[in-house]
Amino acid sequence: EAGVAQSPRYKIIEKRQSVAFWCNPISGHATLYWYQQILGQGPKLLIQFQNNGVVDDSQLPKDRFSAERLKGVDSTLKIQPAKLEDSAVYLCASSLISATGELFFGEGSRLTVL
Amino acid sequence: SQELEQSPQSLIVQEGKNLTINCTSSKTLYGLYWYKQKYGEGLIFLMMLQKGGEEKSHEKITAKLDEKKQQSSLHITASQPSHAGIYLCGADISPGIRKLIWGLGTSLAVNP
Repeated sequence: EAGVAQSPRYKIIEKRQSVAFWCNPISGHATLYWYQQILGQGPKLLIQFQNNGVVDDSQLPKDRFSAERLKGVDSTLKIQPAKLEDSAVYLCASSLISATGELFFGEGSRLTVL
Repeated sequence: SQELEQSPQSLIVQEGKNLTINCTSSKTLYGLYWYKQKYGEGLIFLMMLQKGGEEKSHEKITAKLDEKKQQSSLHITASQPSHAGIYLCGADISPGIRKLIWGLGTSLAVNP
């Protein structure tokens, strides 16, 4: 079974530039999560999708971050414009159902903002 | 203050020694997850606990959930260099749609 795929693995940009991350969850997984993990901290939920609907985006900085999950499958997370404090690993995870069960994580996309 | 506290923050042990990592929540637990992370990589699922008193083991790793204390412990027996990494606990604090909060992680080094 293929795991959660994320790209790119690494990205370096200047502040005020834009960047997009892509995630393809495990086939059949209805729930998709985007997390931000800053070095030395635990993951922080940015947005949670159930199929193509948003369940929780309370911690998503909506003035600069956006995410979509078209057709309830893969998802894109965009940052525009980027700030220095956005430097982090962006983790995508998926699970079968939202109430219980294991979350499967991708390898993450490491963003450095200069 | 952190809603999910992990202790210790870091740990260095000699190969073969036992160790315990603790995770304490300030909120009611509806599920507790343990993951392992290596630098620059994603999180690898270890165990999930849901019921008070529940205990699960996988190879040399055992996790327990004390629902009353809102606390979980992860115990590694006879540690090996392959156990090195960052151990993260995640807690589901919602009875409905899953809402996970995460600890800051415990960094484990095992010296051969």
